[in-house]
Amino acid sequence: DVKVTQSSRYLVKRTGEKVFLECVQDMDHENMFWYRQDPGLGLRLIYFSYDVKMKEKGDIPEGYSVSREKKERFSLILESASTNQTSMYLCASEPGRSNSPLHFGNGTRLTVT
Amino acid sequence: AQSVTQLGSHVSVSEGALVLLRCNYSSSVPPYLFWYVQYPNQGLQLLLKYTSAATLVKGINGFEAEFKKSETSFHLTKPSAHMSDAAEYFCAVSPSLYGSSNTGKLIFGQGTTLQVKP
Repeated sequence: DVKVTQSSRYLVKRTGEKVFLECVQDMDHENMFWYRQDPGLGLRLIYFSYDVKMKEKGDIPEGYSVSREKKERFSLILESASTNQTSMYLCASEPGRSNSPLHFGNGTRLTVT
Repeated sequence: AQSVTQLGSHVSVSEGALVLLRCNYSSSVPPYLFWYVQYPNQGLQLLLKYTSAATLVKGINGFEAEFKKSETSFHLTKPSAHMSDAAEYFCAVSPSLYGSSNTGKLIFGQGTTLQVKP
């Protein structure tokens, strides 16, 4: 069974801090994604990666960056956290074959004060 | 551009009643469509997906959805609601064209919270 693990379930950070959200998948998936989930807005794609060291911007990349040094790990970085980045962050992966479903982690709820 | 609209942010049904969650999409090419479910404090999991093989798609936990091209709809149904069905449901469309990969770049609807009353 595919497992996508997000390192933190809850995080509280201060405005201006640098924040790292970590995600690890154990199924050798090619593609990994970071989504942000907000009430009434559904999920919005921040960044995705289709290979090690490769990344592409999603729909809302501003204020975020990512790192994928190893195939199994995809990190989301908030260079200088702001209160409008308070949200639920969901990591997902998929093998890169056509129509493969996304496998999601349980999410990290980030609060920026 | 593709988009997804879920009609109704909250739906409430009685246990044993029909569940109907509405999803309409816009797409200039034949879409791939998905329904995901999110139980409290969990990530999303796939309920079912439409990939142009059959218009009526059966998923897990007794759910099914019908693709209607003329109505640009992909509504989710279940004949008899169970208390364990209470969750948030997301409809999503893939912007991938003609079977290409990277289907993870999904466009999600706003979500519908299903409440099941005893």
